[in-house]
Amino acid sequence: KNEVEQSPQNLTAQEGEFITINCSYSVGISALHWLQQHPGGGIVSLFMLSSGKKKHGRLIATINIQEKHSSLHITASHPRDSAVYICAAHLNRDDKIIFGKGTRLHILP
Amino acid sequence: KAGVTQTPRYLIKTRGQQVTLSCSPISGHRSVSWYQQTPGQGLQFLFEYFSETQRNKGNFPGRFSGRQFSNSRSEMNVSTLELGDSALYLCASSLDRPANTEAFFGQGTRLTVV
Repeated sequence: KNEVEQSPQNLTAQEGEFITINCSYSVGISALHWLQQHPGGGIVSLFMLSSGKKKHGRLIATINIQEKHSSLHITASHPRDSAVYICAAHLNRDDKIIFGKGTRLHILP
Repeated sequence: KAGVTQTPRYLIKTRGQQVTLSCSPISGHRSVSWYQQTPGQGLQFLFEYFSETQRNKGNFPGRFSGRQFSNSRSEMNVSTLELGDSALYLCASSLDRPANTEAFFGQGTRLTVV
């Protein structure tokens, strides 16, 4: 079983819909990152969280340390949000970083 | 402010050869991390360098190595290439520990081993 699990693997939605991507982890972490990867490979760091909630524009990220769970929400989704979203966890035990398998999001116009 | 630059962008090598990839971080960033991305395994952490010292290392064989120079530029080397080394190699730079500070990624080097 992977130590970082993402769901769903694939998500197709209509423009304007509210999107939620989930990330669960089974190990102690010091921080969790949400990354966005567009076709072609470039990765952008969206959020870095160790507790609570962060908001940037239409994107919101939350983390519940006790439940070992984080969510990424996109409000008023747009076709340009189509990308792969990846969560990444920094491990307490050795400071290494492990990644979820990613969620492929496709927003239809 | 220039972003993270990786060179080359694309590379084709033959099994058994070695390859060196380069990463120039954002000016002022002292931490450079390297990652391998494949369709089967996804993203995996290779190693992290800070002020010319390897600070952390992932679970990759010794064929994978790296170094960091005094100007924070970093190189990674893969010797005795195998077909399974075909991947997108990404580097990211940050001011300090990636767990504490935002990381900025390069566009990656796509390596194909034939």
